[in-house]
Amino acid sequence: IAGITQAPTSQILAAGRRMTLRCTQDMRHNAMYWYRQDLGLGLRLIHYSNTAGTTGKGEVPDGYSVSRANTDDFPLTLASAVPSQTSVYFCASSERGQGNSPLHFGNGTRLTVT
Amino acid sequence: GQNIDQPTEMTATEGAIVQINCTYQTSGFNGLFWYQQHAGEAPTFLSYNVLDGLEEKGRFSSFLSRSKGYSYLLLKELQMKDSASYLCAVLDSNYQLIWGAGTKLIIKP
Repeated sequence: IAGITQAPTSQILAAGRRMTLRCTQDMRHNAMYWYRQDLGLGLRLIHYSNTAGTTGKGEVPDGYSVSRANTDDFPLTLASAVPSQTSVYFCASSERGQGNSPLHFGNGTRLTVT
Repeated sequence: GQNIDQPTEMTATEGAIVQINCTYQTSGFNGLFWYQQHAGEAPTFLSYNVLDGLEEKGRFSSFLSRSKGYSYLLLKELQMKDSASYLCAVLDSNYQLIWGAGTKLIIKP
């Protein structure tokens, strides 16, 4: 089934540890995004990529990094996790970046930093 | 600053009609999206409005008034499976999506 796959589904991580959240899409979409979703807040953009080989910072990029070596994969790395990074992380893609094409979301990664 | 306002929670009865409002104040406007998100799941796209007026898609309709900075999502013939959060998001002048916190809709039998 075409779509976006995120891994892991959930993770408990000790503060200070490094963690990479994986995201793969098979829709050949140009643009990909990482969002975090916290209770009572709207989705907040962490990083995005409008096309393979390029990335950009979103609203809350500090403490996170991304890479886009190819069209399909867009991993998100937490270099040294802190408790405030406890959240649900959603990867998304769209046909075009910076446009009006709808977002397709993965099922999310629930991350708890202790 | 940029702001999207939606009610936090609404309750409606199965078979009825419910209207979920969204007001926005953003730097520019390039369209408004509605997404549905069931608890513990990913958001899924419902509608996109860029021109004033009503767009109907089955039991769901979405309305936009750009001059008033206002949109609503209308759900008819409510079913239990419509219990979910409904997210409003505006594409600003830089084509960045600004998200509301979502409206949790509870459907009662």
